[in-house]
Amino acid sequence: LAKTTQPISMDSYEGQEVNITCSHNNIATNDYITWYQQFPSQGPRFIIQGYKTKVTNEVASLFIPADRKSSTLSLPRVSLSDTAVYYCLVAPRGGADGLTFGKGTHLIIQP
Amino acid sequence: GAGVSQSPSNKVTEKGKDVELRCDPISGHTALYWYRQSLGQGLEFLIYFQGNSAPDKSGLPSDRFSAERTGGSVSTLTIQRTQQEDSAVYLCASSDPGLYGYTFGSGTRLTVV
Repeated sequence: LAKTTQPISMDSYEGQEVNITCSHNNIATNDYITWYQQFPSQGPRFIIQGYKTKVTNEVASLFIPADRKSSTLSLPRVSLSDTAVYYCLVAPRGGADGLTFGKGTHLIIQP
Repeated sequence: GAGVSQSPSNKVTEKGKDVELRCDPISGHTALYWYRQSLGQGLEFLIYFQGNSAPDKSGLPSDRFSAERTGGSVSTLTIQRTQQEDSAVYLCASSDPGLYGYTFGSGTRLTVV
């Protein structure tokens, strides 16, 4: 399984754009990159998934360079409610193997 | 069901007792995962079921932990002779291969006293 490296924590302010980068140097050809968000006392929630280039949905954008050894989750105009832990996960789509989550990035949004 | 359901939501047990945690995945999802999350830590993979294939048990921390999935649907995680270090939130997730992402339940908070 490809392992990931993310910053342990990040701080930002309401209304700012936040970019969280994940390194995954050993990503395999059939691996997809998925980001999850977790609030206290809840299970992780799917945010976005991509394979290459750029993916955008109503919540976030995901930027993946050509070598796919890293990815950046971009949250536009964050609010206090975006304070959460964000996990980057690299695995084949559909889960051919058990998922391995790192410790994630604790994002703290201040007023 | 509409989401992944886990029960109980909270469980307090005495050291040495056995506990059973239940996960009811989304109907039709063939893949089911169990994870453990200790306070302030990331998710630790425990076990993975995919259809009728033999489960991937590589994450189970000791032989006190076991899990089964009956009829390809509901799963039960059993911890025998619980220890204080077993205290954690146990999360279940399910997915349908080929679809985006995994849906997690809200977890069972296990406290061993």
